[in-house]
Amino acid sequence: AAGVIQSPRHLIKEKRETATLKCYPIPRHDTVYWYQQGPGQDPQFLISFYEKMQSDKGSIPDRFSAQQFSDYHSELNMSSLELGDSALYFCASSLGPRGANEKLFFGSGTQLSVL
Amino acid sequence: KQEVTQIPAALSVPEGENLVLNCSFTDSAIYNLQWFRQDPGKGLTSLLLIQSSQREQTSGRLNASLDKSSGRSTLYIAASQPGDSATYLCLAAGTALIFGKGTTLSVSS
Repeated sequence: AAGVIQSPRHLIKEKRETATLKCYPIPRHDTVYWYQQGPGQDPQFLISFYEKMQSDKGSIPDRFSAQQFSDYHSELNMSSLELGDSALYFCASSLGPRGANEKLFFGSGTQLSVL
Repeated sequence: KQEVTQIPAALSVPEGENLVLNCSFTDSAIYNLQWFRQDPGKGLTSLLLIQSSQREQTSGRLNASLDKSSGRSTLYIAASQPGDSATYLCLAAGTALIFGKGTTLSVSS
């Protein structure tokens, strides 16, 4: 069965550079969630989209932005990268808006290292 | 601010033991709770989802329960195996989507 696809798997950037992470949800899933997981930390919710509209916003820095496209894939854009942005970034997808009682399925994540 | 707490933070058991992982939450408006497994440096694998109207969900050797009134969920693992070694996280979905910090399980052979 198709799963959530994230690209790239690994990304190395320098301070003040920009990065774009991509997420392709499971086919027919219309909701996408972004999480950030620092070393030894629990995943922190960043932002989510339902039907191409932002649905919830968590602890996403102003330097980050995200959107969901017409094919339901999503991109997380990160600018002015800082050392503290080094983390594993997960994308998850589900069917229906939050509250629809559907499982969240997670991708394998993008490991971002900022040097 | 809503909180999700997992106890214990770490657990080491010999193979074959039955064990219980705990997850407590403060959000009285949760509509479901999902348990995940995470191997080091890897993604999150969904184990079980319990809706707020349900009391239990079972999958193989795993059984998860939910008591919304007391703000607690438990994950019961029967006859543990070394392959069960991983970090187990609960995700409470309600006013917000909040993860606990996880319980790191080590099962020795």
